[in-house]
Amino acid sequence: DNVLPQSPTTMAASPGEKVTITCHASSSGIYMNWHQQKSGTSPKLWIYDTSKLPSGVPDRFSGSASGTSYSLTINTMETEDAATYYCQQCCSAPLTFGSGTKLELK
Amino acid sequence: QVQLKESGPGLVQPSQTLSLTCTVSGFSLTTNSVSWLRQPPGKGLEWMGVIWSNGGTDYNSAIKSRLSISRDTSKSQVFLKMNSLQTEDTAMYFCARRVLFDYWGQGVLVTVSS
Repeated sequence: DNVLPQSPTTMAASPGEKVTITCHASSSGIYMNWHQQKSGTSPKLWIYDTSKLPSGVPDRFSGSASGTSYSLTINTMETEDAATYYCQQCCSAPLTFGSGTKLELK
Repeated sequence: QVQLKESGPGLVQPSQTLSLTCTVSGFSLTTNSVSWLRQPPGKGLEWMGVIWSNGGTDYNSAIKSRLSISRDTSKSQVFLKMNSLQTEDTAMYFCARRVLFDYWGQGVLVTVSS
């Protein structure tokens, strides 16, 4: 049940900057979810089924896939987006997570 | 609304068994799966196992021999039991709904220490 590689491990972005986080899955054609976690709180589902946004998630966020690479993109960074993001391979066991990307505000 | 809440002891001695309860509301365990997950301090998320809506279970192969997940649908509760605890099992333990993990509990911190 391996951890999915995520890149970068940490990064800093200025307000208004475009951000892309990548996760490498074991195979293509799977559903990938993304979770946002802020310090001291539970994770929140942020993107599901590779590219769908749950209610309440700003539309500056998007998800996409290319082969076995899955990406989370923030079109224009905002201060509230500073958090750690985890990808998660869905939907049959084992339900594997990515190693996490800590996104900081520059 | 959908809610999950973990409960259990905050401190467990090495080699002992951990027992946690996840009490859910706003949805049925007979139509939704629930997973247990954990996060050691300062580290990433680890999926531990799932109990499916039909009552079947799947476990992370790394801890499968030590872990058991069960449920009581009449009480809307899901249980975790893990034996032979070691210090590296110190973590925040979460339960979450479905394989999307669309709702998470607040978590319970479990420290393994003598």
